[in-house]
Formats: sequence, C-alpha cells, structure tokens
Amino acid sequence: SQKIEQNSEALNIQEGKTATLTCNYTNYSPAYLQWYRQDPGRGPVFLLLIRENEKEKRKERLKVTFDTTLKQSLFHITASQPADSATYLCALHNTGGFKTIFGAGTRLFVKA
Amino acid sequence: DTEVTQTPKHLVMGMTNKKSLKCEQHMGHRAMYWYKQKAKKPPELMFVYSYEKLSINESVPSRFSPECPNSSLLNLHLHALQPEDSALYLCASSQGRAYNEQFFGPGTRLTVL
Repeated sequence: SQKIEQNSEALNIQEGKTATLTCNYTNYSPAYLQWYRQDPGRGPVFLLLIRENEKEKRKERLKVTFDTTLKQSLFHITASQPADSATYLCALHNTGGFKTIFGAGTRLFVKA
Repeated sequence: DTEVTQTPKHLVMGMTNKKSLKCEQHMGHRAMYWYKQKAKKPPELMFVYSYEKLSINESVPSRFSPECPNSSLLNLHLHALQPEDSALYLCASSQGRAYNEQFFGPGTRLTVL
C-alpha cells in the first residue's frame, strides 16, 4: 500500500539555523509533491509545489528538493525563526491530480 | 478574497442528531474537498467535488452525506454519527486539480457524544 513517512519525532532547532525536514514515500509515483504548514487547530497552508521533473524549488527562505529515484523530498527552512514553529506536512498527488495523500507531518520547534 | 470559511467552528452532537457543516469560497475555484483530521494525524480525504459533481468518495460511511448546491458552497450532512467520528473537519478548494494550491478553511471541531 502507499506509504508516506515524515520525521516522526519533533525537530528542535536553534533560531538562525537551517531546519531540514524529510518526506519519504513507497509504493507510489507522484507527479507532484507539495509542502504545507499547519498550526494547532487550523487548516493547512500551502507553501511550495514541486513537480516530478524538477529537482529543486525555492521561495524566500524555503527550499524543496525532490528525488524520484530515492523517493524522497527534503524541505529546508534557512535562518529559522520562532515564528516558523509549526507542523509541516508533505502531500503527494498522482497525475489525475484530485486525490491528495498527506504525510503525518513533522512538528518543528525553533528556540529563540 | 482568498479565504475559505467554515461554520460552525465547534459542534457537539449526540449520536441521534442530524447536523450540517457548511463551507464557502468566493475564489471561483471549481474543485472543493472535505477532509477529516484526528489529533496528531494527517488530513484524510473524504470527498472531492469537481464542477459541482461528486468526483471522489473515499469509501466514506453513508452517515456522512456531502452536497454541493453551487460552485461556492459545500455542505456535509451528518446523521447517526459515532463517537469515533469526533475530529476536525476541514474544507478546501483549488483552482483545477488538487496539485494546485489548496486553500483550507479553519475547520469545524466536531464532538460526538
């Protein structure tokens, strides 16, 4: 069955450092991969989309990589800030594009 | 307006009650979604409407009944729910396919007694 794994443990980092979150998947060949941020009790907020033929995408302090051979995406937040503390979800989509499968998310804590 | 609104914010209902969740967007999106999210779990897709037609039903029990009266509105009718149905119910919309940015509402926190 399709499976998505994200860092199960919370990630604690110091302000100013780079946070790196991992999303691994099996039994799936996504055409698109997204990253969302979710704060407690709120709906997810879209951050970045990367396509299967793209290796890397950047937006401000965020960078996403997508390795279809390793079946892995890495999500980086550079110069992290306490306001970046949240749960980050990766989401996979097939070519048809209506069905979204979310990973369980990684809880990030950035300490001042 | 890039907002998806959901009402009510909180809902407590008994197992014999009938209630409805409402979702609205005015971004002109033609795809709308219902997700269920339990604590510390990822959102799980329940239903997808595309151009006001039900496109995906992820084998959701019939006690959940979706409705899309028009392109801006999405309802989820609830009847004879079980305590294990207690969760955060999220509505989302997107322009076209789901791999485009999905805009999520704040959710309805449902408690079934």
